[in-house]
Amino acid sequence: ETGVTQSPTHLIKTRGQQVTLRCSSQSGHNTVSWYQQALGQGPQFIFQYYREEENGRGNFPPRFSGLQFPNYSSELNVNALELDDSALYLCASSFTGGLTDTQYFGPGTRLTVL
Amino acid sequence: AQKITQTQPGMFVQEKEAVTLDCTYDTSDPSYGLFWYKQPSSGEMIFLIYQGSYDQQNATEGRYSLNFQKARKSANLVISASQLGDSAMYFCAMREGPGGAGNNRKLIWGLGTSLAVNP
Repeated sequence: ETGVTQSPTHLIKTRGQQVTLRCSSQSGHNTVSWYQQALGQGPQFIFQYYREEENGRGNFPPRFSGLQFPNYSSELNVNALELDDSALYLCASSFTGGLTDTQYFGPGTRLTVL
Repeated sequence: AQKITQTQPGMFVQEKEAVTLDCTYDTSDPSYGLFWYKQPSSGEMIFLIYQGSYDQQNATEGRYSLNFQKARKSANLVISASQLGDSAMYFCAMREGPGGAGNNRKLIWGLGTSLAVNP
């Protein structure tokens, strides 16, 4: 069974640039959720994708956008990067339809905005 | 108001001893799920244990058990026989609403507890 993978592992960008983060879900899972974790904080929910559609969104501006593909992998795009976007971005996959909706996480992408 | 509260920013435990990490939650939804995750310094969030609001028994997974006290809205994680590899951040998280419903099931997180296991 293949776990959740994310790429890249680290990324350095400058303010105003755009970035795309990628996530491959665990086999058998159909839902992907994205979280932002600032240093010393718990993760904050960005959005979730189910059946290739956004299935809920946290308190993040529209410059955070995403996609889910037919194979259930997903992308997170952030436009017009700001310094506060520096964080660990976590992708989680789950199976919607199970009893618990347990989310399994990838290793994360550390984004630094200079 | 905080929905998930972890009051212990840092904890120390001797190797081979048991430790309890506290978590209290706040929700008006009768159906919810509670999760504990471990985050080593590498950053990956590792699922440890799950407790559903209607589960009659406390959840157990190997050395991990969840002390679920519904009336007090607490879901403390107990780690038995601590090992050096248990040193990490531990997060309590909650899903409001029933599992499997197909709707947005985001996780709401606490601030975490840093656990250090001493040899």
